[in-house]
Amino acid sequence: AQSVTQLGSHVSVSEGALVLLRCNYSSSVPPYLFWYVQYPNQGLQLLLKYTSAATLVKGINGFEAEFKKSETSFHLTKPSAHMSDAAEYFCAVIYTGRRALTFGSGTRLQVQP
Amino acid sequence: ETGVTQSPTHLIKTRGQQVTLRCSSQSGHNTVSWYQQALGQGPQFIFQYYREEENGRGNFPPRFSGLQFPNYSSELNVNALELDDSALYLCASSLAGRGREDTQYFGPGTRLTVL
Repeated sequence: AQSVTQLGSHVSVSEGALVLLRCNYSSSVPPYLFWYVQYPNQGLQLLLKYTSAATLVKGINGFEAEFKKSETSFHLTKPSAHMSDAAEYFCAVIYTGRRALTFGSGTRLQVQP
Repeated sequence: ETGVTQSPTHLIKTRGQQVTLRCSSQSGHNTVSWYQQALGQGPQFIFQYYREEENGRGNFPPRFSGLQFPNYSSELNVNALELDDSALYLCASSLAGRGREDTQYFGPGTRLTVL
């Protein structure tokens, strides 16, 4: 079955430290890949998307993600965490031939002062 | 350009009742998708509407139904509510077309509580 795996349901970093949130998808054909962020009691905000134009994708708020076909991964990074980055992050995929987003289970990012 | 809006923001119902949730899509978008997000989980796809026709459905029973109107706004109806239907319901709009990645933009959601 097509799925999305986010390793680590909770990640805690210090303010100013590197943020790394992991995402792996299950398909031999590269799908469309997205990262969304959800703040408490809010909807989902698009951070960035991969659509085969470039393997390194830059998004909003200083986040970026690298598509690695050999590893079927699309990990999200940010060089320096800020307190305002504390939120839930979801990796999502649109597999070939489908229109629905398949979401991972999410990673809650905590930023310590 | 207005974003995706949803109403109401919160709703409390009792088991067995019926509920209608509403969504206005982003200007220029022709596709609406609905997702259910249970507490602590990722969103799950319910169904998608494209030009007023259902264009795909997830693993949800028939008591979950929907409509899309000529202005591309949409409704989600849930009959015979169950306790497990308590969740955040998210609407997303997109512009479907050949070659597009169908980026979906989400509304703020409707929090449904079933007692």
